[in-house]
Amino acid sequence: ETGVTQTPRHLVMGMTNKKSLKCEQHLGHNAMYWYKQSAKKPLELMFVYNFKEQTENNSVPSRFSPECPNSSHLFLHLHTLQPEDSALYLCASSQDGQVNEQFFGPGTRLTVL
Amino acid sequence: AQSVSQHNHHVILSEAASLELGCNYSYGGTVNLFWYVQYPGQHLQLLLKYFSGDPLVKGIKGFEAEFIKSKFSFNLRKPSVQWSDTAEYFCAVNTGGFKTIFGAGTRLFVKA
Repeated sequence: ETGVTQTPRHLVMGMTNKKSLKCEQHLGHNAMYWYKQSAKKPLELMFVYNFKEQTENNSVPSRFSPECPNSSHLFLHLHTLQPEDSALYLCASSQDGQVNEQFFGPGTRLTVL
Repeated sequence: AQSVSQHNHHVILSEAASLELGCNYSYGGTVNLFWYVQYPGQHLQLLLKYFSGDPLVKGIKGFEAEFIKSKFSFNLRKPSVQWSDTAEYFCAVNTGGFKTIFGAGTRLFVKA
């Protein structure tokens, strides 16, 4: 497996469910990111982790809870989501904050019913 | 607040036509600039980047972009597009650290 992988690729959940998105990078990078991509809107940065420490939380509602157990893995725990949270959730990684070229995963298409 | 503006949301061209996609940003300091591309069914990938040096940068697949500091612009160009260039193109600006601001994207459709 190379690059950045995300699972699942598609997820449908009810508003009362709890689910998790997983991201793994095989590039030896130190920084990992969660973005939300909605139709006709710019990518919205949600969270950034550098060496497992959270460096950015872009005013994301608490129903989204990130977890970064090591530099290669990043999770996004979801609970009591709203229909407007339906979007494509992208994970990315970069070497660090100085060399900020980001490598993206394929995304998880989330639908909240 | 910092922002990135992409002037065209949709562009339709015929094969062999020339392409220029506009990108402007609002930030007065040092920037790192990127164009990313998302082909249908594929993930976002880097097309080209500017960190410093020659303001005319060349990327993959014949694309190039010119950084004009006085205009806060980083327009993407290609002299002759192909059907395979059909994709969505995102301009992005990093002002230091981990926060990169993306534009809303331009969908390019190239007619064969």
